[in-house]
Amino acid sequence: RKEVEQDPGPFNVPEGATVAFNCTYSNSASQSFFWYRQDCRKEPKLLMSVYSSGNEDGRFTAQLNRASQYISLLIRDSKLSDSATYLCVVTPTLGTGRRALTFGSGTRLQVQP
Amino acid sequence: DAGVIQSPRHEVTEMGQEVTLRCKPISGHNSLFWYRQTMMRGLELLIYFNNNVPIDDSGMPEDRFSAKMPNASFSTLKIQPSEPRDSAVYFCATAGRTPLHFGNGTRLTVT
Repeated sequence: RKEVEQDPGPFNVPEGATVAFNCTYSNSASQSFFWYRQDCRKEPKLLMSVYSSGNEDGRFTAQLNRASQYISLLIRDSKLSDSATYLCVVTPTLGTGRRALTFGSGTRLQVQP
Repeated sequence: DAGVIQSPRHEVTEMGQEVTLRCKPISGHNSLFWYRQTMMRGLELLIYFNNNVPIDDSGMPEDRFSAKMPNASFSTLKIQPSEPRDSAVYFCATAGRTPLHFGNGTRLTVT
């Protein structure tokens, strides 16, 4: 089993739709979680951190379910500009200890007019 | 803030040649990571440094790959000799108290 698994998609949705992605992780000791966005032929960029209590940033909501070991990303009122690949990142420890950041393979979103 | 700076942006070389990729981290970031991305394997961690010291190089595919960080402002990833299967985008990323910031990447093509 991969350490971090994502549905590769593509998710094809119309503008204005709500879409959600999940990401499962295998290491129960994982402490830090993030969503990154990667546009075609560009570098990944931090979209948002994922906190235990869940967090929202505009149209984006991230949630963590430790019991089931997954994180989710919800995008409301999707825009054409949301079309990208969304990568989840999991790290086992905080602070200055060993940090083996692990990326999922990404979920591709295509928002259509 | 100039961000993470990688060079070259593109590299095309012939099999057997030595390739050196360069990275200048964001000032003050004490962790530096080298990743490789391909369509087949996604984003793979090759090696990372903390305070210029290599912490985990278990992702380095084989002895043809080596990485150095002689000081806090510079790192290199070297492939010698290069092979066609090394063709990929190589990203350098750095982190301090904030999560990873990636450079623009080096697109390597080995013919």
